[in-house]
Order: sequence, then structure tokens, then C-alpha cells
Amino acid sequence: AQKVTQAQTEISVVEKEDVTLDCVYETRDTTYYLFWYKQPPSGELVFLIRRNSFDEQNEISGRYSWNFQKSTSSFNFTITASQVVDSAVYFCALTASSGYALNFGKGTSLLVTP
Amino acid sequence: EAQVTQNPRYLITVTGKKLTVTCSQNMNHEYMSWYRQDPGLGLRQIYYSMNVEVTDKGDVPEGYKVSRKEKRNFPLILESPSPNQTSLYFCASRTRTDTQYFGPGTRLTVL
Repeated sequence: AQKVTQAQTEISVVEKEDVTLDCVYETRDTTYYLFWYKQPPSGELVFLIRRNSFDEQNEISGRYSWNFQKSTSSFNFTITASQVVDSAVYFCALTASSGYALNFGKGTSLLVTP
Repeated sequence: EAQVTQNPRYLITVTGKKLTVTCSQNMNHEYMSWYRQDPGLGLRQIYYSMNVEVTDKGDVPEGYKVSRKEKRNFPLILESPSPNQTSLYFCASRTRTDTQYFGPGTRLTVL
């Protein structure tokens, strides 16, 4: 069975603060894929990143960075110098190569205030 | 442009009136699925399809039907909608190892 846990239900920060969203996963598969999606107030689900289990390199995209650590089964997401437009619900998700199911965490609601 | 489309985007209906939410993708993906999103419950899978004529139940299939007669289309059917099916619905598609792409969502209200 696969499981994704996002322990932080809601986070509130002031603009320009750095914020890290935690994601912990469980899977027995050795080959798997991890994702982050953003859901802004408008409601659509926006793909942010995909990482496979063989690539533990951290990734940076502008103010966004992701820290993948297999040793702790975590795939954390950091926003540097947060902005009001970052306010959204963020979902972490996991799928294994053995199947098609994409398992989501319950999401973390991030509120960035001016 | 690669995309998943859903229609309608918003729908208000009454209990018991059959409805269909259409979903179409233009990426030739084998796998398609439907999710519903409710506050505090996250995204829950309703049904999925691994290819044409192959469908299976997800976590919350009760009250829903699907069909996959063509690879690109995967409609969600509510034969007799009830108020507890008021939700935000997403269609999605992907290949086995590729990123899952979501439609824009359908906000359904059942009175």
C-alpha cells in the first residue's frame, strides 16, 4: 500500500518569509514517482514537479526548491521569499511503477499575507 | 496544446436528475481517472480506466458510473444525484510513468 502524509494542514506566513511544506511517503516499490501540485483559489490543479525514485538530486526552480531524501522518505517543498500569489493549497502525490494509482496527501493550505 | 477538458465547469441540479460530466484528453494517454475534492478530505479517486473498455472502482465509486468507449473520452455519469455528491470534480489523464494532468474541474451542486 502507498501513502502520502502532509502533516501540516495550514500554514500562515508573512510575505518574504521562507516556508517549507513537508511530505512524507510510504511505498514498498523501489521505483516510484513523486509529485507536487498547486491549487490556487481559482481551483485548478497545477503541476509543479515530478521526481523519480532514482534521482535524489534536489531541484530548484526560481523561488521553489524541492528536497528529496529517500533515507527519510520525504519530499519537502520550500518556497523562498514567499509572495501573496503563492497562497494556495499544495498537494504531494506518489505513484509506483507497478501500478497506475496516484496517491495524494490531504494537502497543505498556505496563506501568505502582505 | 496538450490538455484535459471537462464540461460543464459549473452545474447546479436537483436530486435525482441524471447528469453527465464529459472529459476529453488529446495526449493519447491510456490512463484516465475521476476524482472528487471535498474540504478536509483531499482528493479521492472515484473511478479509473487503464484503457478502452477497461474501468475499475476507485476509493469512492458509489453513486457514479463511467464508460471508456474511446481512448480520449471518459465521461462521469450520475444516474440519480444526491446532495452528498455536491463537490468539485476533476478528470485526469496520464501514461503509466508520466505526469498526471488534470482538467479544470467541475463544480457540482445538487439541491
